[in-house]
Amino acid sequence: EVQLVESGGGLVQPGGSLRLSCAASGFTFSIYGMQWVRQVPGKGLVWLLRISRDGSDTTYADSVKGRFTISRDNTKNTVYLQMNGLRAEDTAVYYCVRAIYSNGYFYFDYWGQGALVTVSS
Amino acid sequence: EIVMTQSPDSLSVSPGDRATLSCRASQSVSSNLAWYQQKPGQAPRLLIYGASTRATGIPARFSGSGSGTEFTLTISSLQSEDVAVYYCQQYNNWHTFGQGSKVEIK
Repeated sequence: EVQLVESGGGLVQPGGSLRLSCAASGFTFSIYGMQWVRQVPGKGLVWLLRISRDGSDTTYADSVKGRFTISRDNTKNTVYLQMNGLRAEDTAVYYCVRAIYSNGYFYFDYWGQGALVTVSS
Repeated sequence: EIVMTQSPDSLSVSPGDRATLSCRASQSVSSNLAWYQQKPGQAPRLLIYGASTRATGIPARFSGSGSGTEFTLTISSLQSEDVAVYYCQQYNNWHTFGQGSKVEIK
């Protein structure tokens, strides 16, 4: 069974940092690209960033470029989201998602349960 | 950025009736369109990809259609467990989601 389990969420002050982890199991982690999507409570979904299966290629949405970093450790079946310079508007549930490659494009077939990040003083 | 617009924002359907949800893209996304179901307190679940292909384990009452800029998700016979918010997502040019359509039982 495919499982993605996020951890590391919590309360952080504006300007602070937090690192989320997403532990994967039930599939061969190293052959899948991984991505992060966030959702402000009660609102819609927003794509944030992606990492290739070997970690050599990353892409960031403009809203987080320069502040957030995605990385992965295929020996630990884990993908990370390092968040720096956090702002109140970063308050959201952060989902780790598995990306499926199909005909040159990627969609998301499995989602973690989400990690809540609250940015407040 | 491709903007995805869903309609209606919410709909109330009697059990066993058909529910039809629409999704419009601001420019063509070909068939690179997915639908997700999100129940309260849960993560989204993939229902449809490639505009019309059901994901593994998704009941046959869920169907998707469309291409280009106009897409539809149909629930042929609404069950109580289908109460959720449904999102469309284009993955033709990075990823953007619609604002969601909430389905309730009448």
